[in-house]
Amino acid sequence: DQQVKQNSPSLSVQEGRISILNCDYTNSMFDYFLWYKKYPAEGPTFLISISSIKDKNEDGRFTVFLNKSAKHLSLHIVPSQPGDSAVYFCAATINTDKLIFGTGTRLQVFP
Amino acid sequence: SAVISQKPSRDICQRGTSLTIQCQVDSQVTMMFWYRQQPGQSLTLIATANQGSEATYESGFVIDKFPISRPNLTFSTLTVSNMSPEDSSIYLCSVEDWDRSNYGYTFGSGTRLTVV
Repeated sequence: DQQVKQNSPSLSVQEGRISILNCDYTNSMFDYFLWYKKYPAEGPTFLISISSIKDKNEDGRFTVFLNKSAKHLSLHIVPSQPGDSAVYFCAATINTDKLIFGTGTRLQVFP
Repeated sequence: SAVISQKPSRDICQRGTSLTIQCQVDSQVTMMFWYRQQPGQSLTLIATANQGSEATYESGFVIDKFPISRPNLTFSTLTVSNMSPEDSSIYLCSVEDWDRSNYGYTFGSGTRLTVV
């Protein structure tokens, strides 16, 4: 039972444009959602999170939007840079108990 | 935010042997989490380690295969026992954290294990 899903395994975006990564979830009890970036030989790097009581959180080039009625969240990266090329995971938690990760989306930013 | 030192960063092990992975955090934390990422897969929680009590294992993971120690509030080990090629994965430890105003979890750099 995959409670957190990222339906796009890959995304290719031109440098300077917007990258939009999507995530869907099934459990309405999730109260925090997080996005991570991961390079092949490293641990995941935390990017941004959002509480379920909010619908938007911004941090620099990264903005996360949460649509609770649709059980959907998205990460916007503007402008996209070549260094953003990595695998992006969304994750969710209930009462900060443990993280449940999505399957990941590989983002490639080309010049 | 917290800084986690995880070692070894990688290892190649013979089947049937065991490997112990260490994580050291630069601050005291109540819970430490151990994850596994199998090739091409997402991250899956193995267990949650609290200091002074038995670790709590997720479905599909057992203490005999993945014994965990948590001797103090800054350190934990995960052992992968009696290894088989199916145990080839990246193993990661994690702690709850705050990064600026964002609630999140910080991860170690991971241990890439190959079992031959």
